[in-house]
Amino acid sequence: GQQVMQIPQYQHVQEGEDFTTYCNSSTTLSNIQWYKQRPGGHPVFLIQLVKSGEVKKQKRLTFQFGEAKKNSSLHITATQTTDVGTYFCAGPRNAGNMLTFGGGTRLMVKP
Amino acid sequence: NAGVMQNPRHLVRRRGQEARLRCSPMKGHSHVYWYRQLPEEGLKFMVYLQKENIIDESGMPKERFSAEFPKEGPSILRIQQVVRGDSAAYFCASSPTTGNQPQHFGDGTRLSIL
Repeated sequence: GQQVMQIPQYQHVQEGEDFTTYCNSSTTLSNIQWYKQRPGGHPVFLIQLVKSGEVKKQKRLTFQFGEAKKNSSLHITATQTTDVGTYFCAGPRNAGNMLTFGGGTRLMVKP
Repeated sequence: NAGVMQNPRHLVRRRGQEARLRCSPMKGHSHVYWYRQLPEEGLKFMVYLQKENIIDESGMPKERFSAEFPKEGPSILRIQQVVRGDSAAYFCASSPTTGNQPQHFGDGTRLSIL
């Protein structure tokens, strides 16, 4: 079945350093979504990418969708302590709206 | 505009008891999804429901687990004869339609089995 993998599993950074998490799917995706989950919280939708090669920015966050629509990345510039949490990518399982989530990348930021 | 409402937030059960988790989707959303999350792990899809219909339950164990989304009232995830391995956070999400729609998550129910 479809698999969505994320690396790294954990990342410790000093505040101000950059951070990148990578997402790879075993199948071509119609779209990819990114969610953030703060410690003890629930996943919150960040963004959706649909087009091959698409790049979207949200302030210090840059999201990319690969040309083959099988991989994606999230890059955070100059991390802040408020960026702490686990970042998940997710792709549709089939024609419906069910999502397969990656295992997530847990970001820890030292002040 | 209330978001996805889940209750209870925390639930403690002894082995062998039943656990009932409730989820009210966002207003205007007719699609509900249940996920399970073990500590330090990702979200595992369990079941997808629309009003009065189970669309996909391929992620839900065949035994002891059931889900419903009645015409009136919240969606219910029911776990019978709970075991220690059922301890997890259970999240409900909703979306307005199928297709490329973001999902809105509730705060989750943290289930602990003694």
